[in-house]
Amino acid sequence: ETGVTQTPRHLVMGMTNKKSLKCEQHLGHNAMYWYKQSAKKPLELMFVYNFKEQTENNSVPSRFSPECPNSSHLFLHLHTLQPEDSALYLCASSETPGQAWLNYGYTFGSGTRLTVV
Amino acid sequence: AQTVTQSQPEMSVQEAETVTLSCTYDTSESDYYLFWYKQPPSRQMILVIRQEAYKQQNATENRFSVNFQKAAKSFSLKISDSQLGDAAMYFCAYRSAPGTNFGNEKLTFGTGTRLTIIP
Repeated sequence: ETGVTQTPRHLVMGMTNKKSLKCEQHLGHNAMYWYKQSAKKPLELMFVYNFKEQTENNSVPSRFSPECPNSSHLFLHLHTLQPEDSALYLCASSETPGQAWLNYGYTFGSGTRLTVV
Repeated sequence: AQTVTQSQPEMSVQEAETVTLSCTYDTSESDYYLFWYKQPPSRQMILVIRQEAYKQQNATENRFSVNFQKAAKSFSLKISDSQLGDAAMYFCAYRSAPGTNFGNEKLTFGTGTRLTIIP
């Protein structure tokens, strides 16, 4: 297992539905991220949480609503999405400044493949 | 803002041969980190190799090595003795060093290069 678990792995939803994506890590990391991966585009950073506080919202539409109840869990609540929101949504976690810099990168989950119909 | 460019959408290489994937980036920072990530069909992004900008020596991890040219802002990945399991999307990524942009640790990615291994 990767250390970062994302559920569900696949999700098909209608434009009027409400659903949530879940991300969980037990690596002791305090920073968590949501990225959107669309074909032929760079990964787009959506949200950053440091110690449960949102530190970045990259001009994401309000139909995407993140929630970080603790340092181990991150949610992305979805409502009234558009077909162009179909993509792979990746969650990642990392250590933060002040902790041991043993790993400068991220640990990623396997993503949720979202299809909006 | 930093940008990362991967100009090769697709590459292919014969099994056991060597291939080089290109990456350039733009930044005004002097200290930063560069990464290559691999995304196989399983979709999980896996860290392949990392380079600290203050280190002149190129990073090496087994069959993977980089050619880091700081002045040219170039960071290419060389895969030696290519294996079928190397087939994947490869992403180059940039991250500010701690202290240069406190609290903002986001990775900035390129568009990726799809690597195919020919048996």
